[in-house]
Amino acid sequence: EAQVTQNPRYLITVTGKKLTVTCSQNMNHEYMSWYRQDPGLGLRQIYYSMNVEVTDKGDVPEGYKVSRKEKRNFPLILESPSPNQTSLYFCASSLSMASSYNSPLHFGNGTRLTVT
Amino acid sequence: AQKVTQAQTEISVVEKEDVTLDCVYETRDTTYYLFWYKQPPSGELVFLIRRNSFDEQNEISGRYSWNFQKSTSSFNFTITASQVVDSAVYFCALSPRKTSYDKVIFGPGTSLSVIP
Repeated sequence: EAQVTQNPRYLITVTGKKLTVTCSQNMNHEYMSWYRQDPGLGLRQIYYSMNVEVTDKGDVPEGYKVSRKEKRNFPLILESPSPNQTSLYFCASSLSMASSYNSPLHFGNGTRLTVT
Repeated sequence: AQKVTQAQTEISVVEKEDVTLDCVYETRDTTYYLFWYKQPPSGELVFLIRRNSFDEQNEISGRYSWNFQKSTSSFNFTITASQVVDSAVYFCALSPRKTSYDKVIFGPGTSLSVIP
C-alpha cells in the first residue's frame, strides 16, 4: 500500500530534550516536506527536500533540522525543543515539484508533539 | 505575495443543506495549481482536487463541485446535500509554478460541521 509513515503519532517531551520524528514513504517520491499545523494558521512549511541530499528552509524553519540521506526517509529533528514547538506535525511527499509537473501531496497521519 | 485566504473560519449547516467554502488566492505567477484537502476529525489530510491555472472549467464529483474563477482569483468548493461525514476541516492550497515552484501554500482552513 502506497503511504507516508510517520512515527510516533504522539510524543510528550520536556524542554531541551532532543527528539526525532521519522518519516518514510514507499512511493519513490522525489519531493518531501514537513509542515506544522496550528489553530488558525493552517499548515506552515518547515523544511522541504526536492531530492536526496537537497533540502531547504520553508517558512518556519527555526528550531528544526532535517536530512535526506535516502530517497524514502526525511526525519525531522528538534535539537532543543521548546514549548512553542508544541504542535501537530505532518510529513508529506509528492512525485515531483518540477516546474512543468505537479502532483498532489500525500500526507502522513501526523505527529502530535507536546513540549512541557 | 503568494497567499491563500479562507475567510470562513467555521461553518455549521444542517444535514442536506448545500454549503460553499470560499478560497481566494494571490500569486504573481501566471501558471499555478490549486488544491483542496480535507482533514476529517481523525486528523489525516486527504487530497480532493487539483486544478491548473489554464483550466477554468468547473468540476463536479458526486456531491462535490468546484468553481474556479481567475477573474476573481477564487476557487470555491460546494458540497451539495451535505452529510455528517462531510464534517471536517477543509484546506485550500496554492502551488506556484515559477517563482516558488517548490512550495505549497495553504490557507488557514475552514471547519465545517454538519449537524444531523
